[in-house]
Amino acid sequence: GNSVTQMEGPVTLSEEAFLTINCTYTATGYPSLFWYVQYPGEGLQLLLKATKADDKGSNKGFEATYRKETTSFHLEKGSVQVSDSAVYFCALRLNTNAGKSTFGDGTTLTVKP
Amino acid sequence: NAGVMQNPRHLVRRRGQEARLRCSPMKGHSHVYWYRQLPEEGLKFMVYLQKENIIDESGMPKERFSAEFPKEGPSILRIQQVVRGDSAAYFCASSLSQGAAEAFFGQGTRLTVV
Repeated sequence: GNSVTQMEGPVTLSEEAFLTINCTYTATGYPSLFWYVQYPGEGLQLLLKATKADDKGSNKGFEATYRKETTSFHLEKGSVQVSDSAVYFCALRLNTNAGKSTFGDGTTLTVKP
Repeated sequence: NAGVMQNPRHLVRRRGQEARLRCSPMKGHSHVYWYRQLPEEGLKFMVYLQKENIIDESGMPKERFSAEFPKEGPSILRIQQVVRGDSAAYFCASSLSQGAAEAFFGQGTRLTVV
């Protein structure tokens, strides 16, 4: 079956620090990969995505590269801000179904001034 | 251009009562997906519906839970005889088609069973 394993949290960083949140997956077939962000009390917002191997998704200074050889999709940001404090979810989706995704358990990021 | 609308945002029910959660998809979207997020966990797929049809209910508990998406009106997730373990955030997502590039999520309904 399909599964997503995320780096366990919580992660606490100082402002302007470098962020990495690890994500690895197992899947039958060739999935699309996603990172979602959930701010306190809010729903999920798509942060970035990649649909095939070696694609790099990027948005708001965040990046992740689809690595088929290591089945990974690690999230990175060079300089985090307090406003980046949220829960981050890695997810995969088989391309045949837009809304049926498999999510990781989430990683809580807290950025301190 | 409203996004996916879920209501209520917060719902409190006593054990044994029924909970009804509503989801209005984005305009033009006819595919709806329900997820459950237990505390400290990720989202788990429950059910996928297209107008008037349940397409995939592989993640739905066999008892007490049901879902519908009528021709007119929102999709409804219904939980009968709620128990404390049903306390969770329930998210709805919608897409234009099954093979669309992206599904869009609502803000969720947080159900608390007391």
